[in-house]
Amino acid sequence: DGGITQSPKYLFRKEGQNVTLSCEQNLNHDAMYWYRQDPGQGLRLIYYSQIVNDFQKGDIAEGYSVSREKKESFPLTVTSAQKNPTAFYLCASSIPSYEQFFGPGTRLTVL
Amino acid sequence: GIQVEQSPPDLILQEGANSTLRCNFSDSVNNLQWFHQNPWGQLINLFYIPSGTKQNGRLSATTVATERYSLLYISSSQTTDSGVYFCAVEANDYKLSFGAGTTVTVRA
Repeated sequence: DGGITQSPKYLFRKEGQNVTLSCEQNLNHDAMYWYRQDPGQGLRLIYYSQIVNDFQKGDIAEGYSVSREKKESFPLTVTSAQKNPTAFYLCASSIPSYEQFFGPGTRLTVL
Repeated sequence: GIQVEQSPPDLILQEGANSTLRCNFSDSVNNLQWFHQNPWGQLINLFYIPSGTKQNGRLSATTVATERYSLLYISSSQTTDSGVYFCAVEANDYKLSFGAGTTVTVRA
């Protein structure tokens, strides 16, 4: 089945820890994206990548880091510098400037 | 950046009713999508509609790009239509900007 997978589904982090969220796609899309959603709000863009080995900051990149070493994978690291990381994180992929498709998301909670 | 406004913020419907959701945006766009977010958080693609009209079953959408708005129509609503509906647009920068969503509740 073609699609986007994210893991884990739920993640708990202690304050001061870095955690990495996984995103994999087998749609052969060049572009991949990470969004954050807070309760009752829309999605906000964290980072995006149009091609392997290249990525750009979105609107709320502070406290996050990414890598794009393979076309299929775009992991997101939430660092200890992110002051309020508890949120729902969604990964997406697309042919650049065309329809974006989303994974099922990861719910991150800081203990 | 581009601004996206959705209305109404909340909508309560009786099963079988029809409704219209609106999305206004502040600048020209290359891409406009409508999504349905289910109770588990999954974003379901409804329409990719930068201009024109499309229909998919009981749902249809119209985007009038020159006037910077899009409409999503739900006909003969069912309880499974409940959830949050998002409009998202992309200008010339490869980035989708989302509205705050419309929460739809369909009562049996």
